[in-house]
Amino acid sequence: EDQVTQSPEALRLQEGESSSLNCSYTVSGLRGLFWYRQDPGKGPEFLFTLYSAGEEKEKERLKATLTKKESFLHITAPKPEDSATYLCAVKDFNKFYFGSGTKLNVKP
Amino acid sequence: GAVVSQHPSRVICKSGTSVKIECRSLDFQATTMFWYRQFPKQSLMLMATSNEGSKATYEQGVEKDKFLINHASLTLSTLTVTSAHPEDSSFYICSAHRSGLSYEQYFGPGTRLTVT
Repeated sequence: EDQVTQSPEALRLQEGESSSLNCSYTVSGLRGLFWYRQDPGKGPEFLFTLYSAGEEKEKERLKATLTKKESFLHITAPKPEDSATYLCAVKDFNKFYFGSGTKLNVKP
Repeated sequence: GAVVSQHPSRVICKSGTSVKIECRSLDFQATTMFWYRQFPKQSLMLMATSNEGSKATYEQGVEKDKFLINHASLTLSTLTVTSAHPEDSSFYICSAHRSGLSYEQYFGPGTRLTVT
């Protein structure tokens, strides 16, 4: 069964059009939820770690939030350079589980 | 901080030969490193977890004799693809977990392997 599910699979936005990406998880004993950005042909770039429900973190136009069952990555007034695949991962006691990612395309 | 490098970034080899990929944590010590494989338009597939000074732990379905992993020091892990075949062609990415309390993984830039 999937431990981490990301939605939508793909998202097309106009520049300046804010939106949110979703990451839902089913692991118990959460040790951390991680957001990464991956550009084509490159390794994932670390963005945020969230450890407990209610926690929020921000970086430029990105804000990550966490509840007991899901996390949201909010993108405010995105720019074309925000286009990338955003990966979510969770860690339980033993392992990391990666979602399949949301491919974001921001058009000028 | 938290920079991970991989070498080479691209490699083309002939079927039947072996290829070694290096993963280095440049500015921190990594007791644990991970090796992933990524197919086009798919997410990361964990191949193995590499712990410094001990044998790697392979995921189910990954041939340990084909994908040799050596974590020789706190800053270096290597993946050797032995007797490579065209189906081994893929994007291989390593990551390193910084020693300490946090669980973040920091990823290398990846290695594109093409087996002809």
